[in-house]
Amino acid sequence: DAKTTQPPSMDCAEGRAANLPCNHSTISGNEYVYWYRQIHSQGPQYIIHGLKNNETNEMASLIITEDRKSSTLILPHATLRDTAVYYCIVRVEMNYGGATNKLIFGTGTLLAVQP
Amino acid sequence: SAVISQKPSRDICQRGTSLTIQCQVDSQVTMMFWYRQQPGQSLTLIATANQGSEATYESGFVIDKFPISRPNLTFSTLTVSNMSPEDSSIYLCSVGANYGYTFGSGTRLTVV
Repeated sequence: DAKTTQPPSMDCAEGRAANLPCNHSTISGNEYVYWYRQIHSQGPQYIIHGLKNNETNEMASLIITEDRKSSTLILPHATLRDTAVYYCIVRVEMNYGGATNKLIFGTGTLLAVQP
Repeated sequence: SAVISQKPSRDICQRGTSLTIQCQVDSQVTMMFWYRQQPGQSLTLIATANQGSEATYESGFVIDKFPISRPNLTFSTLTVSNMSPEDSSIYLCSVGANYGYTFGSGTRLTVV
């Protein structure tokens, strides 16, 4: 089961910052938080990920609380093209020869950017 | 990041038949994943495809219904067997590295 809880939908005015919250109260110490988005009829697109520290890249910023039980994805200047479903994911750790781990998606937040 | 090519992009199939979906990656990857996305829903992990061994299926998915092949580090197939209208979904291939996961554009399957 997914380990995250997100609001089903949010609105944001074009040009304003979009702040998308996510709760992951059962996260373990070595589990990463990932954010993906899915624009209609496309495969999910990677946005950002983090473990403990806040992270920023060209797309967004990720703010993780000190207790790691929640996080916020920030799109600093939302555009109409940012309208999508945003998924907050806690990467589930697997033990397969030291290889990678799997992403279990939750229900996501539909962000609608309004003109 | 890896580039994924998924074929076919869409198909309409008769119930009771099977469809094999191909996933080709432009680089060698250890882990490949298959997801299903039912209409209006989120993504559900079907299985993890490991090169040289049997795929690992998630709860609710079985090998007889969704056989997977992983013959090498750049290719995998997912077969949807004995299809029914309930199998109408988008099926997505994904590959994982240590930190990044890339998704294909998916196969939109309609079963009639």
